[in-house]
Amino acid sequence: GQNIDQPTEMTATEGAIVQINCTYQTSGFNGLFWYQQHAGEAPTFLSYNVLDGLEEKGRFSSFLSRSKGYSYLLLKELQMKDSASYLCAVMDSNYQLIWGAGTKLIIKP
Amino acid sequence: GAVVSQHPSWVICKSGTSVKIECRSLDFQATTMFWYRQFPKQSLMLMATSNEGSKATYEQGVEKDKFLINHASLTLSTLTVTSAHPEDSSFYICSARVTEYEQYFGPGTRLTVT
Repeated sequence: GQNIDQPTEMTATEGAIVQINCTYQTSGFNGLFWYQQHAGEAPTFLSYNVLDGLEEKGRFSSFLSRSKGYSYLLLKELQMKDSASYLCAVMDSNYQLIWGAGTKLIIKP
Repeated sequence: GAVVSQHPSWVICKSGTSVKIECRSLDFQATTMFWYRQFPKQSLMLMATSNEGSKATYEQGVEKDKFLINHASLTLSTLTVTSAHPEDSSFYICSARVTEYEQYFGPGTRLTVT
């Protein structure tokens, strides 16, 4: 079966760094996505990785290891507005997104 | 950038009635749109894939006669929840595929069935 695992909830301090992990087992692989979702809103795109390595985009970076079925999202210089759920999603061989349950990130002052 | 709208943003209806939700791609044409449902504190669940000019493809466990999808044009897909019940109360989100790897999400519709 297809499965994506990520922690349910994480807490971090404003100004700090946090890493959200995602492991996956899917039928085929056409890339891994990270989305941010604030409560009551639709997801917004953060990053896309299809090759191994680190993709950096401002305060956010995303890493992928296809051999390990593993990715992480790294958030630096955390701000209160970063409090949200972070969704990991993998595009399978049929170009459909398989979604993780999301990680709720709580930022404390 | 690609913009997707949904209407209404929230709706309250009585049990047994039907509700139609619209999903529009505002500045691009989308041959494929997706409908998702999200219950509180849960992730997105794909309900169906809507293809312009053809029948929608429903995921396992989703009743096609209850959740009617119509994708009549390249910019509009509609989801009609027929004979709604309180358990259908949820956050419904559509997305439109731009390329094989890119899809943009609408702002979502909060449905409450009383």
